[in-house]
Amino acid sequence: DVKVTQSSRYLVKRTGEKVFLECVQDMDHENMFWYRQDPGLGLRLIYFSYDVKMKEKGDIPEGYSVSREKKERFSLILESASTNQTSMYLCASAAMITYEQYFGPGTRLTVT
Amino acid sequence: DQQVKQNSPSLSVQEGRISILNCDYTNSMFDYFLWYKKYPAEGPTFLISISSIKDKNEDGRFTVFLNKSAKHLSLHIVPSQPGDSAVYFCAVLTQGGSEKLVFGKGTKLTVNP
Repeated sequence: DVKVTQSSRYLVKRTGEKVFLECVQDMDHENMFWYRQDPGLGLRLIYFSYDVKMKEKGDIPEGYSVSREKKERFSLILESASTNQTSMYLCASAAMITYEQYFGPGTRLTVT
Repeated sequence: DQQVKQNSPSLSVQEGRISILNCDYTNSMFDYFLWYKKYPAEGPTFLISISSIKDKNEDGRFTVFLNKSAKHLSLHIVPSQPGDSAVYFCAVLTQGGSEKLVFGKGTKLTVNP
């Protein structure tokens, strides 16, 4: 079974803090993704990566950055957290030859 | 502008009946479509997909229909079970060489016992 794990299920941070969200997958997938899910807005792509040290902006990259130093690990960084970044963050991975993405359980981030 | 639209935010059906979830897309060049199911406090899980070369794909109780001329796809669940209660997202594979998915906003299905 594909397993995608995220470092925290729940996180509370203060405005202005630097926040790191970690994602690890164990299936040797090339592609990894970060989404946020908000009520009424569905899943929106923040960043994705199709190889180590490679990254591409998604639909809503502003206020975020990412890091992929190893194939299995994809980190999302909020350089200076703001209240409008309170959301559910979902990481996903996919093999290069398929389109089905496998998601982690999500991190519920609250910025106060 | 939304590329993928799920116009019904919610749907309620009785156990044993058919559930039909709908999705419309804007770009006729999209050629691969997926459905995901999401329970509260969990990540979405892949359910079923369909390529544009087909008009139907079936997997057990789940069937996806694709109407390319109408740019419409639907997910049928027969018979519906209370455990099917979840949010369902449709997604399309975008063009341009990268395996990006664009998701609809989701439809919350409630199956009543």
